[in-house]
Amino acid sequence: DQQVKQNSPSLSVQEGRISILNCDYTNSMFDYFLWYKKYPAEGPTFLISISSIKDKNEDGRFTVFLNKSAKHLSLHIVPSQPGDSAVYFCAASGTGQGGKLIFGQGTELSVKP
Amino acid sequence: DSGVTQTPKHLITATGQRVTLRCSPRSGDLSVYWYQQSLDQGLQFLIQYYNGEERAKGNILERFSAQQFPDLHSELNLSSLELGDSALYFCASSVQTVGGTEAFFGQGTRLTVV
Repeated sequence: DQQVKQNSPSLSVQEGRISILNCDYTNSMFDYFLWYKKYPAEGPTFLISISSIKDKNEDGRFTVFLNKSAKHLSLHIVPSQPGDSAVYFCAASGTGQGGKLIFGQGTELSVKP
Repeated sequence: DSGVTQTPKHLITATGQRVTLRCSPRSGDLSVYWYQQSLDQGLQFLIQYYNGEERAKGNILERFSAQQFPDLHSELNLSSLELGDSALYFCASSVQTVGGTEAFFGQGTRLTVV
């Protein structure tokens, strides 16, 4: 039972353009959502998060949007840079889950110069 | 550097053997999580400890066990290893923020069972 889904295994974008990574979840008890970035041979690195009381959170080139009614979140990267090429995981946690994060399968982003 | 330390980085062992993976959380973090990432898979939650006690359990096999010690470091024990146990094993520790929990990951231990 995949509670957090990233349906696009890969995404290719031109440098300078917008990258949009999508994530869907099924558990309505989730109330905190995070994006992690992972390079090969390294651990995931926290990127940005959003609480369910918000619908948008911005940090520099990274913006996360949350649509609770659709149980959907997205990560926008503007402008995309070659150094952004990595695997991006979305994760969710919920009240009563003890803080554990449930991860999606990941989307591999490739930003071409 | 996330502040979470995992050892060893790489481990090669034979089927049927037992190994122990070690994790030192970030200073001050009381929660430790273990995740498994198999080839082309996402991060599967295994188990969580909080201040020495088991807090949550995921899809952890009975052959696997973990503990968190008084100094808050944690060990994941994998026994009767099978080829399918080959994976990256990540440890994370967390800090509770106003909205929720952010976990910080170590570099992982790559386990190869041959």
